[in-house]
Amino acid sequence: AQSVTQLGSHVSVSEGALVLLRCNYSSSVPPYLFWYVQYPNQGLQLLLKYTSAATLVKGINGFEAEFKKSETSFHLTKPSAHMSDAAEYFCAVSKGGGADGLTFGKGTHLIIQP
Amino acid sequence: DAGVIQSPRHEVTEMGQEVTLRCKPISGHNSLFWYRQTMMRGLELLIYFNNNVPIDDSGMPEDRFSAKMPNASFSTLKIQPSEPRDSAVYFCASRTSGTGAYEQYFGPGTRLTVT
Repeated sequence: AQSVTQLGSHVSVSEGALVLLRCNYSSSVPPYLFWYVQYPNQGLQLLLKYTSAATLVKGINGFEAEFKKSETSFHLTKPSAHMSDAAEYFCAVSKGGGADGLTFGKGTHLIIQP
Repeated sequence: DAGVIQSPRHEVTEMGQEVTLRCKPISGHNSLFWYRQTMMRGLELLIYFNNNVPIDDSGMPEDRFSAKMPNASFSTLKIQPSEPRDSAVYFCASRTSGTGAYEQYFGPGTRLTVT
């Protein structure tokens, strides 16, 4: 069974600072991993996905994530935070190798301080 | 494309009443998913369909919950009878099964309040 752990329910950074959101996964098969963002009262929007093509994945809005099999991690980073990045971020793993439903982490609320 | 469409966006009902949530997936997508989001449990997969056929309903919490997909462009999630603990945001998502196209596209959600 797959599972995802997101370390830190809340992360606060200053505008312009590095953003690092942590995600560790557990999977019995090669995983497909995703980062989604949710703005208040909205649905989820895909930021980026890992599907084994490359370990460093670039997404929208300047975000990227690196898949590290040895550490079972898929941390999300952005070099310079912007006020508009304030949102809830979810890491997710697919159950059946990409074709099935997603198992989500608990989410990390990103706060940007001016 | 209009994206995934869900209705209603908000629903307030009394305990014991029947509730029906509706979803129209993105045209051409052949997989549809229902998720529930609560503060306590986060985002949970309830059920998903491939080509209108339910594949995995292990996340459906109780027999009070049922989901149907009569055709490729419409799905419903029904709760009968509803209970206060069903209060949550319910999301519908759709996906195409083409090569590499594994991302799910989410609707705006239906916020359900059961009093």
